Amino acid sequence: GQQVMQIPQYQHVQEGEDFTTYCNSSTTLSNIQWYKQRPGGHPVFLIQLVKSGEVKKQKRLTFQFGEAKKNSSLHITATQTTDVGTYFCAANTGNQFYFGTGTSLTVIP
Amino acid sequence: DTAVSQTPKYLVTQMGNDKSIKCEQNLGHDTMYWYKQDSKKFLKIMFSYNNKELIINETVPNRFSPKSPDKAHLNLHINSLELGDSAVYFCASSHPGLGGYTFGSGTRLTVV
Repeated sequence: GQQVMQIPQYQHVQEGEDFTTYCNSSTTLSNIQWYKQRPGGHPVFLIQLVKSGEVKKQKRLTFQFGEAKKNSSLHITATQTTDVGTYFCAANTGNQFYFGTGTSLTVIP
Repeated sequence: DTAVSQTPKYLVTQMGNDKSIKCEQNLGHDTMYWYKQDSKKFLKIMFSYNNKELIINETVPNRFSPKSPDKAHLNLHINSLELGDSAVYFCASSHPGLGGYTFGSGTRLTVV
């Protein structure tokens, strides 16, 4: 069954507001990846987190890996219309690789 | 210079037909995959193929069969198409130590 849950499933924000999506696993992970899929497009790899408690930044995006390596978050500061899309985490347990259920972000201009 | 290319981009066909989707990667990656994305955007692994080792998701009907003529190609053949097969199918590739998956642009399959 599904081992990687993402919340929320949908999020609507006003342009300029912040956005966060959370990814939770029932098992300890080797690493976690994040992807962005624009409407009508394909998933594009953003980043990989490996270490417990790791924090990485890409411009307005901040990625965190939990201390227990069971959860992760993606935070976008001051959203822009170009941030629209579905954000997926992808969890690697070492034996299996699972995509999360995704969070669909809508940015209202 | 497309990294992972799949064809066709759109495929509309009748129930019961047999169809194939082609995928090629020029990245030199070791592993290739087929994913199915349903209307709720959920990405479901169908197959992975690495050095002639095929790993099949047990929930995939045997009407679906991957064919890999070489390391750079992984095609998907579907027999006796059903309405429920309508979805977007993504090919992807990866390589150990090189980060995430690289996805193709997808094939939107519509069965009527």
